[in-house]
Amino acid sequence: DAKTTQPTSMDCAEGRAANLPCNHSTISGNEYVYWYRQIHSQGPQYIIHGLKNNETNEMASLIITEDRKSSTLILPHATLRDTAVYYCIVRVGNAGNNRKLIWGLGTSLAVNP
Amino acid sequence: ETGVTQTPRHLVMGMTNKKSLKCEQHLGHNAMYWYKQSAKKPLELMFVYNFKEQTENNSVPSRFSPECPNSSHLFLHLHTLQPEDSALYLCASNPDNEQFFGPGTRLTVL
Repeated sequence: DAKTTQPTSMDCAEGRAANLPCNHSTISGNEYVYWYRQIHSQGPQYIIHGLKNNETNEMASLIITEDRKSSTLILPHATLRDTAVYYCIVRVGNAGNNRKLIWGLGTSLAVNP
Repeated sequence: ETGVTQTPRHLVMGMTNKKSLKCEQHLGHNAMYWYKQSAKKPLELMFVYNFKEQTENNSVPSRFSPECPNSSHLFLHLHTLQPEDSALYLCASNPDNEQFFGPGTRLTVL
């Protein structure tokens, strides 16, 4: 079963920040939070991941609450190409073969002109 | 482009047919995965290979038979499938933290 809950869908205006929330209240201390997105007719694409600290890369920022029970993915200036399904995922297991990504149903983000 | 390719992109087959899906990556990754993505269901992990050895079979029916002849190629052999097996089949590879996905094969079983 998925360890995350996300809103089914969200809208965002082009050029504005998109803030996608995720709840993972049962996350364990050594489990990472990952974000992927899937644009229509393509495979999922990695965005970012984190454990405790906030993370930023060229695609997005990840804000994880201090109790680690929730997180927010921020796309700072959404474009039409950011329209996709965004998956918040918990990676379970230790190093090597035991690691698994537990996928949920994601949030369908529509960026509107 | 992630560097992971899958062929064919679309496949229609009857329940008595035998077909194979192919995945290829030349990224130097040693772990490769097959996932199934059905409508309105989360991505389901099917098989995992590490250094050509199968390390995970997630209770997949025997009508799906994976093969990993080397670290760059992964196959999924299909036989006597059911209509409920219609889905998007995704291949992925990863070096460590990030999985690289192919575009998938859209399979329809009639």
